[in-house]
Amino acid sequence: DTEVTQTPKHLVMGMTNKKSLKCEQHMGHRAMYWYKQKAKKPPELMFVYSYEKLSINESVPSRFSPECPNSSLLNLHLHALQPEDSALYLCASSKGLTNEKLFFGSGTQLSVL
Amino acid sequence: EDQVTQSPEALRLQEGESSSLNCSYTVSGLRGLFWYRQDPGKGPEFLFTLYSAGEEKEKERLKATLTKKESFLHITAPKPEDSATYLCAVQALKAAGNKLTFGGGTRVLVKP
Repeated sequence: DTEVTQTPKHLVMGMTNKKSLKCEQHMGHRAMYWYKQKAKKPPELMFVYSYEKLSINESVPSRFSPECPNSSLLNLHLHALQPEDSALYLCASSKGLTNEKLFFGSGTQLSVL
Repeated sequence: EDQVTQSPEALRLQEGESSSLNCSYTVSGLRGLFWYRQDPGKGPEFLFTLYSAGEEKEKERLKATLTKKESFLHITAPKPEDSATYLCAVQALKAAGNKLTFGGGTRVLVKP
């Protein structure tokens, strides 16, 4: 199994809603990532988890809250988002943290109304 | 600050018309340069990693090369299924957490 699975594929939420994005991998990878991608732009790193501990937070606003319950799962909790947060949210995983290729999921297309 | 610039931004090719994509980079010590392919509405898919100047890697109709300042992705006799956005990214020696710096991408459209 070389897949990173993200759910849901699409999400529409209001600015007062709370929602969660989910990501799962069964490749035994110990590093997992959240990226944000706006249309026609490259992915931007948000968070990195290594061995289920938060390793990097790229100064992301607190309305985005990551969680890594175990080595296979990664969540992104969303609360009080703004319309400018609308984007494709990509999860990725890698074996480790040094020069490793990333395996990306297909993403969650988020629209904030 | 690490920077990656890709050119052209967009490329329209006829099927069978070979071409090259450019990725220019500045980085304080290169650990690796990565090429990814991204289809609309999907996540990037890994193609190649290059580590040192002079290195080349091939996969089907794609060939990636690396110099000290840039990388090229050559597409030989492309087919419509090669249409995608191609992303270049670098990882610096000092980068923490496997952090990649991505270029803006080149959108390739191959017409039959």
